[in-house]
Amino acid sequence: GAGVSQSPSNKVTEKGKDVELRCDPISGHTALYWYRQSLGQGLEFLIYFQGNSAPDKSGLPSDRFSAERTGGSVSTLTIQRTQQEDSAVYLCASSLVSATSYEQYFGPGTRLTVT
Amino acid sequence: SQQGEEDPQALSIQEGENATMNCSYKTSINNLQWYRQNSGRGLVHLILIRSNEREKHSGRLRVTLDTSKKSSSLLITASRAADTASYFCATVASLSGGSYIPTFGRGTSLIVHP
Repeated sequence: GAGVSQSPSNKVTEKGKDVELRCDPISGHTALYWYRQSLGQGLEFLIYFQGNSAPDKSGLPSDRFSAERTGGSVSTLTIQRTQQEDSAVYLCASSLVSATSYEQYFGPGTRLTVT
Repeated sequence: SQQGEEDPQALSIQEGENATMNCSYKTSINNLQWYRQNSGRGLVHLILIRSNEREKHSGRLRVTLDTSKKSSSLLITASRAADTASYFCATVASLSGGSYIPTFGRGTSLIVHP
């Protein structure tokens, strides 16, 4: 079946512009995660959606970052007034969270470059 | 801060040799997972080990978990050039409050020379 997809695959934007990154999770997965990965670094947790619960936004680095998940499916990560330090690969993952399953399925990522 | 830290940061071996990567963590966990990331791609789940398990196998992969030392190891036997990738451990903390957020380390970069 289809995996997690993300769009665009690459995004180059000028400093100060807003960007929207999209994630289509695997159908039926109740949990959705956004991470950020800078060159040669590990994954930095940004935000977590689980079913109809309020999202865990504890990883968002500033109020310029926000995310929505509509209808429990597609998610959009928005970065307002982008800065050069926002340049990174943004990864989305989904999972079917249960008492016995925590495996995350990752999308290919969106490489964001802020010039 | 990151919960899991992989060691070594980089590993270079010849095809056919075994590769061992370690992960240390700080707080109690429900489970620990290993992922692989090929250059420019997303992460792929390899194996999950629960806190009450000590060892798991999957093909050429062997994972151990020592909760007393808060550490895990990933062994890849008879390595192949195609195993060249970055390997990450991710920990899921003991589940209070129902939050299932894996925390990733910085990864080990493995290069297998043909």
